[in-house]
Amino acid sequence: DVKVTQSSRYLVKRTGEKVFLECVQDMDHENMFWYRQDPGLGLRLIYFSYDVKMKEKGDIPEGYSVSREKKERFSLILESASTNQTSMYLCASSPGTTDHNEQFFGPGTRLTVL
Amino acid sequence: GQNIDQPTEMTATEGAIVQINCTYQTSGFNGLFWYQQHAGEAPTFLSYNVLDGLEEKGRFSSFLSRSKGYSYLLLKELQMKDSASYLCAPMDSNYQLIWGAGTKLIIKP
Repeated sequence: DVKVTQSSRYLVKRTGEKVFLECVQDMDHENMFWYRQDPGLGLRLIYFSYDVKMKEKGDIPEGYSVSREKKERFSLILESASTNQTSMYLCASSPGTTDHNEQFFGPGTRLTVL
Repeated sequence: GQNIDQPTEMTATEGAIVQINCTYQTSGFNGLFWYQQHAGEAPTFLSYNVLDGLEEKGRFSSFLSRSKGYSYLLLKELQMKDSASYLCAPMDSNYQLIWGAGTKLIIKP
């Protein structure tokens, strides 16, 4: 059964803290994605990766960085958390750049920055 | 630019039929996805269309017209558990999904 897991469902951090969000997939997928979702705005792509050690900026990369040292793991890093980064963070993976490139999502991490 | 347009909210009655429309403009096109998202949960895949026409899958059907940049999701025999947001997401020439804000569907008894 296809599975994407995220390290935390809920997280509360203070302004200025460094935050790590971990995502692991067990489907041997090439592609991995980090999104944030805010009410009324839909999913916005932060970063994505097509391969190990490879990363590409999405639509809103400012204030974030990522790491993909192993194929199954994609980490999102907030170097210095700010209150405007309070959001739901969703990780997804997909097989590759082919038709029907369905994305499978993890359960999400609801991050609150105080 | 790339743009997705779908209604913000719709209300329907249990047992009825509802159609959720989506119009899109993308740089290239490699198919269109519909996802369902219950409140506080992750999106889950519903359907994928790459050719024009209707794809039926149980109570859910999805239609695509590439020339019109238009798709719809049809839900039949509505159940209370169908209350959720429905996300339209075409895939552009780079195989990136472009996400709409979603349509919140409210089902009333």
